[in-house]
Amino acid sequence: DAGITQSPRHKVTETGTPVTLRCHQTENHRYMYWYRQDPGHGLRLIHYSYGVKDTDKGEVSDGYSVSRSKTEDFLLTLESATSSQTSVYFCAISESTGRSFEQYFGPGTRLTVT
Amino acid sequence: GQNIDQPTEMTATEGAIVQINCTYQTSGFNGLFWYQQHAGEAPTFLSYNVLDGLEEKGRFSSFLSRSKGYSYLLLKELQMKDSASYLCAVRDGGGATNKLIFGTGTLLAVQP
Repeated sequence: DAGITQSPRHKVTETGTPVTLRCHQTENHRYMYWYRQDPGHGLRLIHYSYGVKDTDKGEVSDGYSVSRSKTEDFLLTLESATSSQTSVYFCAISESTGRSFEQYFGPGTRLTVT
Repeated sequence: GQNIDQPTEMTATEGAIVQINCTYQTSGFNGLFWYQQHAGEAPTFLSYNVLDGLEEKGRFSSFLSRSKGYSYLLLKELQMKDSASYLCAVRDGGGATNKLIFGTGTLLAVQP
């Protein structure tokens, strides 16, 4: 299994508060991604990173920001949490070697915004 | 637009064979992935197809027809532990960013 951890694994927060989720990898993979998973929508890409300090937006980036100051850590920040951001958040990593560049997923963070 | 369609739910019997279909319409195509996701867990990689044809890996096989925008995942000798969601995903375009577009998943229930 790829060495990916996410913290916290569960969080309950109030509307309007900032929240930061952390993804940590021990694989030294170049590419990292943040997804959210909601019933009826599947996995949707929020932001991704293609190197240290190199990030870009995905399809559902509004209300989220990211930072990657070192290869192993990719942080997702909800600047002012809203109830619509209640979701399960998955981090994933991949490397640009091999045939398929498949993504490996972390265990997920269940976030509830009340 | 980007669209990936899968059946929402399927039911099959232990020991049988089940085929899960996926159709896609995307602006670019650079490979199709199948992932398995058990309830409350992370998705795990099952298969990858980029050329037309069948890829076999143990009890699981995946087929791709690029001209038809169609793929299927075939699960043989079903076991109770195969009860899970199966996610179809398309890599949209080439380059190193490797962005995936996911379908909503097919929830497979394997019954005794």
